[in-house]
Amino acid sequence: TQLLEQSPQFLSIQEGENLTVYCNSSSVFSSLQWYRQEPGEGPVLLVTVVTGGEVKKLKRLTFQFGDARKDSSLHITAAQPGDTGLYLCAGLNNNDMRFGAGTRLTVKP
Amino acid sequence: EAGVAQSPRYKIIEKRQSVAFWCNPISGHATLYWYQQILGQGPKLLIQFQNNGVVDDSQLPKDRFSAERLKGVDSTLKIQPAKLEDSAVYLCASSLGGGLFTGELFFGEGSRLTVL
Repeated sequence: TQLLEQSPQFLSIQEGENLTVYCNSSSVFSSLQWYRQEPGEGPVLLVTVVTGGEVKKLKRLTFQFGDARKDSSLHITAAQPGDTGLYLCAGLNNNDMRFGAGTRLTVKP
Repeated sequence: EAGVAQSPRYKIIEKRQSVAFWCNPISGHATLYWYQQILGQGPKLLIQFQNNGVVDDSQLPKDRFSAERLKGVDSTLKIQPAKLEDSAVYLCASSLGGGLFTGELFFGEGSRLTVL
């Protein structure tokens, strides 16, 4: 079983639509990171959130860390084909980092 | 600045054969990680080195997997003998500091292993 549950597992949308993906756990994390992984490449860090309730924006991407530091969400506004990829969340606690299984996003032109 | 280099990119072997993967981290990065990413799953940490010492190898199947990081720079991951369930992408990552949370993990492109 995954320590971090990501949903949905797959998401296919049209260019211009908005979307939200989720990362949930029953565990508390000291920090949480979101990565994007494109086919044939390694994951690339998008953001790190540390404080409960924290919201970070990266252009059209908005990341939120839950108040209890157990969950996080990633919202993308006006999705573009270049946003296509596998979005992974990773929770860190006591020097132990665990990845979720990811949400595979496809944005069609 | 050069990124994390891995080789080979692809490897196909038969079960019970052996295979080795090589990783060259970003220059100056003290910490090096090997992850296994099975299709449809997130990366799973196999082993973490700080310089040439092992920090965490609790999830490394030590009966068949081994890893070393001689001189605290390059690293090799070996599987002997390979099983069908070892088919996966093996990702190497590096980071600046001594702990996992020092900001960012930099990943290589990965080595895709297929065991027939």
